[in-house]
Amino acid sequence: GDSVTQMEGPVTLSEEAFLTINCTYTATGYPSLFWYVQYPGEGLQLLLKATKADDKGSNKGFEATYRKETTSFHLEKGSVQVSDSAVYFCALRELERGAQKLVFGQGTRLTINP
Amino acid sequence: KAGVTQTPRYLIKTRGQQVTLSCSPISGHRSVSWYQQTPGQGLQFLFEYFSETQRNKGNFPGRFSGRQFSNSRSEMNVSTLELGDSALYLCASRWASGGPTYNEQFFGPGTRLTVL
Repeated sequence: GDSVTQMEGPVTLSEEAFLTINCTYTATGYPSLFWYVQYPGEGLQLLLKATKADDKGSNKGFEATYRKETTSFHLEKGSVQVSDSAVYFCALRELERGAQKLVFGQGTRLTINP
Repeated sequence: KAGVTQTPRYLIKTRGQQVTLSCSPISGHRSVSWYQQTPGQGLQFLFEYFSETQRNKGNFPGRFSGRQFSNSRSEMNVSTLELGDSALYLCASRWASGGPTYNEQFFGPGTRLTVL
């Protein structure tokens, strides 16, 4: 089946540092790709998405580009803030007979120090 | 617009008991999915319901079941609880009726189940 692999965490950075969280996927076809964020004690929030190759998703200063050649969807942010501390999940969408499910990576815990 | 709500937020049960969790989707959303989140296995898909029908199920034993009502609210049930069922159970809803955001899932805050 389809799968998603994220870089090992946890990741600790200083405020205003550059962030990259790597994500690669294995899938048949070209699934839609997502980044979700989970703050402590909360559910998942959609951060950004890309539905086809070369699409760039962006939100709140975060960006990710759908690269089909390298089957990757790396998350980047130019200058992180303390408030970005959270767990980040890369995911792909599987469709089967009209039903949808998300396949998630293992998550990367990000801590930003002031 | 109210988001996805889940009740209860926290639950403690003992092995062998059964539990029912509830999820109310965003108004107008017709699809509800359930996911299990554990430190060891991460986030895993349980099932999806649409128009009161289960459309897809993940690789979980038959002890895990669910249903959806005509108002799109959903419940999931776990019978004969095991220690390994301790997890955060997340519900997500989506419109599922076409349109540009038909595939976006909105997650609730989850129900934290602890099995002792």
